[in-house]
Amino acid sequence: KQEVTQIPAALSVPEGENLVLNCSFTDSAIYNLQWFRQDPGKGLTSLLLIQSSQREQTSGRLNASLDKSSGRSTLYIAASQPGDSATYLCAALGGLTGGGNKLTFGTGTQLKVEL
Amino acid sequence: EPEVTQTPSHQVTQMGQEVILRCVPISNHLYFYWYRQILGQKVEFLVSFYNNEISEKSEIFDDQFSVERPDGSNFTLKIRSTKLEDSAMYFCASKTSGGTEAFFGQGTRLTVV
Repeated sequence: KQEVTQIPAALSVPEGENLVLNCSFTDSAIYNLQWFRQDPGKGLTSLLLIQSSQREQTSGRLNASLDKSSGRSTLYIAASQPGDSATYLCAALGGLTGGGNKLTFGTGTQLKVEL
Repeated sequence: EPEVTQTPSHQVTQMGQEVILRCVPISNHLYFYWYRQILGQKVEFLVSFYNNEISEKSEIFDDQFSVERPDGSNFTLKIRSTKLEDSAMYFCASKTSGGTEAFFGQGTRLTVV
């Protein structure tokens, strides 16, 4: 079945630093890869969605890339700010090995941006 | 902008009681989902629903769980006899039949005491 892994589990950086969050998935037959932000105790905010035919998507200071063949996606955050502190989740839609029509989530990267 | 809405935002119930979590999906969406997230753990798929029937369910979704679309707008998740381990955030999501992006509600935090 589809499995999604995120590295690192936690990350602490000084304000202004550029950073990369990693996501890997075991079944490359996905429809899309989606990145979410989750604040403590709150819901899921969709940040970026990359279709399987795309290589990257950008929104403001965020850039997400997708390499289906290697089963990897990265989320790049430029010029980080304290307000970026949150948990970032990636989720893969689909997959041949039981992925079906549902999202499989990673465990997330907990980001803290310090002043 | 259309959004998925969930009610209540927080529900506390006693072990053994039945609970119904409610969701109003985006109006032209045809696929509906429930996911849950136990505190500190991954978001996990529970069930998907299409054309008035369950299209897929996980091993978590046992006989204690059921879903229903009682009218044209609501989508509900019922837990018949809650256990302590059912305490979690429950997320509803919906998408169009041809689309690949699912839109999530803000969640219902269920606390079983």
